[in-house]
Amino acid sequence: ETGVTQTPRHLVMGMTNKKSLKCEQHLGHNAMYWYKQSAKKPLELMFVYSLEERVENNSVPSRFSPECPNSSHLFLHLHTLQPEDSALYLCASSQGPPYDEQYFGPGTRLTVT
Amino acid sequence: QQQVKQSPQSLIVQKGGISIINCAYENTAFDYFPWYQQFPGKGPALLIAIRPDVSEKKEGRFTISFNKSAKQFSLHIMDSQPGDSATYFCAASIMDSSYKLIFGSGTRLLVRP
Repeated sequence: ETGVTQTPRHLVMGMTNKKSLKCEQHLGHNAMYWYKQSAKKPLELMFVYSLEERVENNSVPSRFSPECPNSSHLFLHLHTLQPEDSALYLCASSQGPPYDEQYFGPGTRLTVT
Repeated sequence: QQQVKQSPQSLIVQKGGISIINCAYENTAFDYFPWYQQFPGKGPALLIAIRPDVSEKKEGRFTISFNKSAKQFSLHIMDSQPGDSATYFCAASIMDSSYKLIFGSGTRLLVRP
């Protein structure tokens, strides 16, 4: 295991639901990331937190809302999603620049119906 | 300028053969080029990485070749094994200042027994 855990592993939600994805890292890292992985597309960076402060926000729709209460935990709150938001959502952590190795969790497979 | 173009999209190799995956970039400020390996149901994991001050880096059966003038780098898997069957992603970043890894679109490798 990589030291990054994600729950749930699978999630099916309707377009009007509200749900949250959880990520926890046990590596003592300072930075945490959310990525979206869709079929045949590059991994898309969504958000980056460094020491609980958001440092990157890549033009992500407001229906995705991140939260980083401490350096070990990261959440992605979801509401009024669209079917095209169905994807694998990956969490990662790293020491932060200049140490760039990112450790990924197994992902949450999200299906929006 | 921020893209990393990866080819081929999929690759089938016989056991014992050489697998070659290529990536190209435009941003000359990139100075860190990792390759990630992803098995089904798992998040990507760092396989090998290179900085542009060397033209080649080898770790076991995995070699990165780097051509700075052509802005290209490639992954060679020697003596490919069925256990190497996975999706491979190249990536690039500006190591000392950026949290952002720019990923290629991935290559699905199948090594036939």
